[in-house]
Amino acid sequence: KAGVTQTPRYLIKTRGQQVTLSCSPISGHRSVSWYQQTPGQGLQFLFEYFSETQRNKGNFPGRFSGRQFSNSRSEMNVSTLELGDSALYLCASSLYLGQNYEQYFGPGTRLTVT
Amino acid sequence: DAKTTQPNSMESNEEEPVHLPCNHSTISGTDYIHWYRQLPSQGPEYVIHGLTSNVNNRMASLAIAEDRKSSTLILHRATLRDAAVYYCILRAYQGGSEKLVFGKGMKLTVNP
Repeated sequence: KAGVTQTPRYLIKTRGQQVTLSCSPISGHRSVSWYQQTPGQGLQFLFEYFSETQRNKGNFPGRFSGRQFSNSRSEMNVSTLELGDSALYLCASSLYLGQNYEQYFGPGTRLTVT
Repeated sequence: DAKTTQPNSMESNEEEPVHLPCNHSTISGTDYIHWYRQLPSQGPEYVIHGLTSNVNNRMASLAIAEDRKSSTLILHRATLRDAAVYYCILRAYQGGSEKLVFGKGMKLTVNP
């Protein structure tokens, strides 16, 4: 079974631009979560989707948004990019929503904002 | 969010067992204990999880204290590939969400 895939793997953008990152979960998985990883802040939760509904959101500004499609694929969007948005963005999928279900992570999208 | 405490780092030798400790004294009765690890330049990888009883899988074993205030991840024979940052995480039910809250983790170095 194929793992979680994220596209693109690397991205360079300029301040003020917007970006859309894509995540395809493991086949059959219905829950998708997004995380941001930076050297200073570590891994931080962005948001979580299940059955096309956002179930929870982390402490990030409204410039960060996401959505999930009927096939469970998910996208996240960051508008008006800032230098501090440079990070590794990780997507994770889970069979269902629940504490007893493990999450499987993709390789991440490395975003650099110049 | 319930907190976990791990050493900053540990060292082990290849082919020897490794015991990675985690303290979670404020754990509640419904919190699951999860372990993930992150190898260099990769996304985190699920290792194992449990609630009350000890758990085994092909990667590791999880030993949970009777009072659940601590747990230990056991790698039975460390390999160089096990060198990673290990995260001990409590997953609590929070209003319809069971997000992963990562701390700083513990860096494991495996010596050949």
